[in-house]
Order: sequence, then structure tokens, then C-alpha cells
Amino acid sequence: DARVTQTPRHKVTEMGQEVTMRCQPILGHNTVFWYRQTMMQGLELLAYFRNRAPLDDSGMPKDRFSAEMPDATLATLKIQPSEPRDSAVYFCASGPGSGELFFGEGSRLTVL
Amino acid sequence: DAKTTQPPSMDCAEGRAANLPCNHSTISGNEYVYWYRQIHSQGPQYIIHGLKNNETNEMASLIITEDRKSSTLILPHATLRDTAVYYCIVRVAGKTDSWGKLQFGAGTQVVVTP
Repeated sequence: DARVTQTPRHKVTEMGQEVTMRCQPILGHNTVFWYRQTMMQGLELLAYFRNRAPLDDSGMPKDRFSAEMPDATLATLKIQPSEPRDSAVYFCASGPGSGELFFGEGSRLTVL
Repeated sequence: DAKTTQPPSMDCAEGRAANLPCNHSTISGNEYVYWYRQIHSQGPQYIIHGLKNNETNEMASLIITEDRKSSTLILPHATLRDTAVYYCIVRVAGKTDSWGKLQFGAGTQVVVTP
């Protein structure tokens, strides 16, 4: 079955370090989303792309977060520098352009 | 996008139908109703969506009231594996900047008991 692949699955790092999370969307999907989930805030939309172009990143702290799609098979979410409050599970999802999204298994980030 | 209101939690007996309500009284004519669920430690999973008519697939049925201000997701024969948080979301249709964008609320924690 086609699936969204995220790496790493788990990451523990120290405050101030750079963190890069990667996502391989399902082949042929033209929309890619990044969500963050914490107990306090639930699922928050950080950014999303259509046909590799960023459409909305208003949910993302601009000073430290950046999201890109270097090509159709790779989406990246970078945090530099990381802070303890960034600890969360980060989900990538892709879709064919409707509201049906396919989520990856998430990247659990712990910033000490 | 229109906001939704769901009960925070509900229990259901295994083998019985689970009826999950969602209120979306401010929904617009071009907004779809989507349902997702999230099993613990996994990413959300698409269940079903609809605009006006009732919909059914292999996972569930979606009943939308005639005025579209509320809907009910029905799991016909709940199993223990259906224990999850269920999210009701409304999303604008059409190719606007919000096309495809989904905002998740708090959802309903459903616990299926033996």
C-alpha cells in the first residue's frame, strides 16, 4: 500500500540544536501538510503546499521554523534553533487535492 | 471555515452501533463535512465525507441533517479497534486558498468496551 513516510520516527536533541524532519508524500499527491500535535494544543496546522508551492505557513513560528519541498518526493520541516516548547509529534500528510489526507506515522521530537 | 462542536467523550459497547454527533451550525453552502479518527500513537485516518446527502462506505455512515447544521457518524458494529479520537471537520470546497486545508478540533474520545 502507498503510504506517507516520515523520518526520523523519534528524535531527542538539546536546546539550540537544529532539527530536520523529512517526509516522502504518496506519489501523485499534489498537496502536502505539516501538523504538530501536543497534549495541550491538539493537532495544529503548521504549513501546507500545493504542487510544491507553499500556500499557507501562518501556523508556523517564522523565526525558527521553515518548511520546504525541494522536489515532489520530499518535504522538509526544519527547526533552528530548537527549544523545549517544540517538543511534540510532527505529522506529515499528503492528499490528491481533496480533503482526504493520508498521514504518516509522525516524528516524535523531544528537546531537552 | 465553520467551527464544529463535539462531545468530549463517549463510551460504546462492542458490537453495538456507535453514533457520534457533530454540530456545525455555521456551515456554509460550499463546505463539506469530513470525519477522521486517530488511534493512539498513530496519525489521523480519513473515514468519510459528505456535502448534503448521506454517505456510506466500508468504515462508516454519515448522516447530515437537511439544514446541514449537524451530522452523525455511525459505526455500525463497533469493535475494540474503533477506540480512538474522532474528529469532525468542515472544509471549504472549490479551488480557493483554503482548498484541501483541514483544521482539527478537540474531537470525541470514543472508548469501545467489551
